[in-house]
Amino acid sequence: DGGITQSPKYLFRKEGQNVTLSCEQNLNHDAMYWYRQDPGQGLRLIYYSQIVNDFQKGDIAEGYSVSREKKESFPLTVTSAQKNPTAFYLCASRGSGSFSGELFFGEGSRLTVL
Amino acid sequence: AQTVTQSQPEMSVQEAETVTLSCTYDTSESDYYLFWYKQPPSRQMILVIRQEAYKQQNATENRFSVNFQKAAKSFSLKISDSQLGDAAMYFCAYRSGDSWGKLQFGAGTQVVVTP
Repeated sequence: DGGITQSPKYLFRKEGQNVTLSCEQNLNHDAMYWYRQDPGQGLRLIYYSQIVNDFQKGDIAEGYSVSREKKESFPLTVTSAQKNPTAFYLCASRGSGSFSGELFFGEGSRLTVL
Repeated sequence: AQTVTQSQPEMSVQEAETVTLSCTYDTSESDYYLFWYKQPPSRQMILVIRQEAYKQQNATENRFSVNFQKAAKSFSLKISDSQLGDAAMYFCAYRSGDSWGKLQFGAGTQVVVTP
């Protein structure tokens, strides 16, 4: 079945360590997105990519990095520079044929800093 | 920048009853899209309903319908005949016409369904 796969579901990190969250989609979508979700807040955009080898900063990009070497993959690295990385991270994608801009989401990754 | 406001942190409804979730947004644009997403305990976001701003007719999807008031910048969601499976966090989201998929989300409303 087509969809978006995020891994790992749960991740624990010590302070000062970088971690990478995986996002893979087999929907043949051009655009991919990373959102962060904190309790009591909506989703906030970290980075997005409209096409392979191109990506743009979202509203809260500081302390994060991404790459888009393949259409199917958009990994997110949470660096040690991110001051408060404990959160739920959601990856999404959008097809070029989606006129309204509907996003399809993965199941998310929960990152906890110990 | 556009902002999306959901003023109800939590709403409770009995099975088979109707509940309405409010959403207001701030924009100076005329071309945009609005969405309601559902996030059940599994945490995966699921699209419930969408509305194009240029359409005057309110969108409906089975038991879900919206009341889109463009002049008032209001976009409420009505859930009719509520079911236990409707219990979830509901997010209102806005996308401007030229933002290529970037959504602005509200803080969410938790819907509790009681038997």
